[in-house]
Amino acid sequence: GQQVMQIPQYQHVQEGEDFTTYCNSSTTLSNIQWYKQRPGGHPVFLIQLVKSGEVKKQKRLTFQFGEAKKNSSLHITATQTTDVGTYFCAETPGGGKLIFGQGTELSVKP
Amino acid sequence: GAVVSQHPSWVICKSGTSVKIECRSLDFQATTMFWYRQFPKQSLMLMATSNEGSKATYEQGVEKDKFLINHASLTLSTLTVTSAHPEDSSFYICSAQRSRDSPLHFGNGTRLTVT
Repeated sequence: GQQVMQIPQYQHVQEGEDFTTYCNSSTTLSNIQWYKQRPGGHPVFLIQLVKSGEVKKQKRLTFQFGEAKKNSSLHITATQTTDVGTYFCAETPGGGKLIFGQGTELSVKP
Repeated sequence: GAVVSQHPSWVICKSGTSVKIECRSLDFQATTMFWYRQFPKQSLMLMATSNEGSKATYEQGVEKDKFLINHASLTLSTLTVTSAHPEDSSFYICSAQRSRDSPLHFGNGTRLTVT
């Protein structure tokens, strides 16, 4: 089954509002990756976090990895319609494979 | 540009027939590829790990005799859905990575509809 729990499942926001999705694990993660999947598309890699307490930014996107390496978050500031899609966190339990969280579907109302 | 190519993009087949899906790494060699399945509004579920030159490793609950995986070369893995049934209708996506710790690159996916 899934190793990481991701919430919320859905998020509807007005354009310009902020958005955050969270991932939590009961076990310590070696690293966590974030992907975005546009409607009808395939997942696209956004970022990988490895270090405890790590914070990385990509323009309006801020990614955090918890101090205990058991949780992570993705925050989007001032959402735009181009941000629409499903955001997945994913962990690597070993063997090179990637296990995805349930995903958060973001819709943005213009 | 795309680094992983998947074909076909969509396929409609009749119940009981078999469907083959190809996944190619375009500009790198992939000793390992991964096959995922995604039902509407759900997450990607790992089906199996495809290993070049050896048997695939299937996740718990995935029937290896129904989902045949062949990784005959360092750039090609195929997934064959045998004796397809309507409940096999789904979005199948392959992925590959340049090296063990690098992120996954996904193919565009194959939307399978079994009638």
